Amino acid sequence: DAGVIQSPRHEVTEMGQEVTLRCKPISGHDYLFWYRQTMMRGLELLIYFNNNVPIDDSGMPEDRFSAKMPNASFSTLKIQPSEPRDSAVYFCASRSDRLNQPQHFGDGTRLSIL
Amino acid sequence: GEDVEQSLFLSVREGDSSVINCTYTDSSSTYLYWYKQEPGAGLQLLTYIFSNMDMKQDQRLTVLLNKKDKHLSLRIADTQTGDSAIYFCAESAAGTASKLTFGTGTRLQVTL
Repeated sequence: DAGVIQSPRHEVTEMGQEVTLRCKPISGHDYLFWYRQTMMRGLELLIYFNNNVPIDDSGMPEDRFSAKMPNASFSTLKIQPSEPRDSAVYFCASRSDRLNQPQHFGDGTRLSIL
Repeated sequence: GEDVEQSLFLSVREGDSSVINCTYTDSSSTYLYWYKQEPGAGLQLLTYIFSNMDMKQDQRLTVLLNKKDKHLSLRIADTQTGDSAIYFCAESAAGTASKLTFGTGTRLQVTL
C-alpha cells in the first residue's frame, strides 16, 4: 500500500514568495493532519481535517498560513507571503476513523526560506 | 493543557537494552504511542498501548505503562545500530478527536 505522499520533498525559496505544500493521504483515511517540526518548538499540530472539513486550525501560526482539502485524496498547505521563520519540516499524516487507529506520516517537506 | 516530556538524549552500546522514558500530564489519556524518526524521514509508528494495559510486548520492543505515575517507557532489547533515531512519545486524550500531543523526542545513539 502507498503511504502518505508529500511533495515537494525539499523547497528553497526567497522570503515573500508563495509556498504550496501538497499531501496525498492514504486511500480510505478520513483524517488528515498537518504538522510543523523545528528544533526550537518540536512537532506542532497546525490543522486537521475530517472528511475534508477543517476541524481544528488553532495551531495555524497566523493568517499567512492556509490549508485546504478539496477532496479526499488531496490537501495543500499554503504560506503567503513566506518568511525565514517559516523554515521547518512540514509533515502530513492521515488516519482511518476506525477506533484506535494510529496516524501514519509522510516523509515531510523540508522548507527553507531565504 | 496536555504536556508530554522526554529526556533529550540516550547513548547505549550495541547489544545492550535501551530504555526510553516519557511522562505525561493528562490523566484522561486513552492511547499512548511510540514513534521512531530516522534522519530525513517522517515518523514511523512503532507500537501503542491502551491506557487500561500495563505492558505490551512486540518482538524486541516492550512498553510499560504506569498510569498512576503517568509514566511510559519503551525498552528495546538487543539494541542495534539501526535503532539509532529519535523516538517520540505521544498521547491522545479522550474527547480530542484524534489529536496527538507529542513529546520533544529522545535521540538514541547506539555505539559499537
